[in-house]
Amino acid sequence: GAGVSQTPSNKVTEKGKYVELRCDPISGHTALYWYRQSLGQGPEFLIYFQGTGAADDSGLPNDRFFAVRPEGSVSTLKIQRTERGDSAVYLCASSLGSPRQGTDTQYFGPGTRLTVL
Amino acid sequence: AQTVTQSQPEMSVQEAETVTLSCTYDTSESDYYLFWYKQPPSRQMILVIRQEAYKQQNATENRFSVNFQKAAKSFSLKISDSQLGDAAMYFCACLAQKLVFGQGTRLTINP
Repeated sequence: GAGVSQTPSNKVTEKGKYVELRCDPISGHTALYWYRQSLGQGPEFLIYFQGTGAADDSGLPNDRFFAVRPEGSVSTLKIQRTERGDSAVYLCASSLGSPRQGTDTQYFGPGTRLTVL
Repeated sequence: AQTVTQSQPEMSVQEAETVTLSCTYDTSESDYYLFWYKQPPSRQMILVIRQEAYKQQNATENRFSVNFQKAAKSFSLKISDSQLGDAAMYFCACLAQKLVFGQGTRLTINP
């Protein structure tokens, strides 16, 4: 079946603007994750959804960042009042089960490259 | 807190040779999983291999194998018969409460 998809592939915005990044997980995967990858670094955890609820949002850097998954499938990461330091690749992943279960291998999408001018 | 350390920012190997990428980790959890992911320029993170910490046997996937030393908290990746398509960033990751990645190793394959 189809893998994790993310749109848009690239997003350029101006400082102070609002952006939304979308993630479509693998069909049937109950867990969904967002990561941020800065240039030359490994991905850093932002938030994890189990179904519709955010089970762990400890990685969100501040209250400008918010994510939703209203129907337990597609998720949207929302960034308000963007800053130049928000520029990064935002990766989404999904897994069949929750972390530390036997079905917890995370499959990643191609990411959205966000550039804040 | 979990940490993952990859001490080799860059590695290179001749095509058809064998290369080993190093990784050490730290976690206070007794139940965890370890992964190697490959990230080519397309940005897609591709799972290479997975190891459950409770299993003593080292995981293997075709040309890819790991050397898991639990007491030393070491998890290295060996790539045998390197191919040009293996060139990419390789990330080691540890899943306890959440998935934590290392800084990555850029692997170059010389023809």
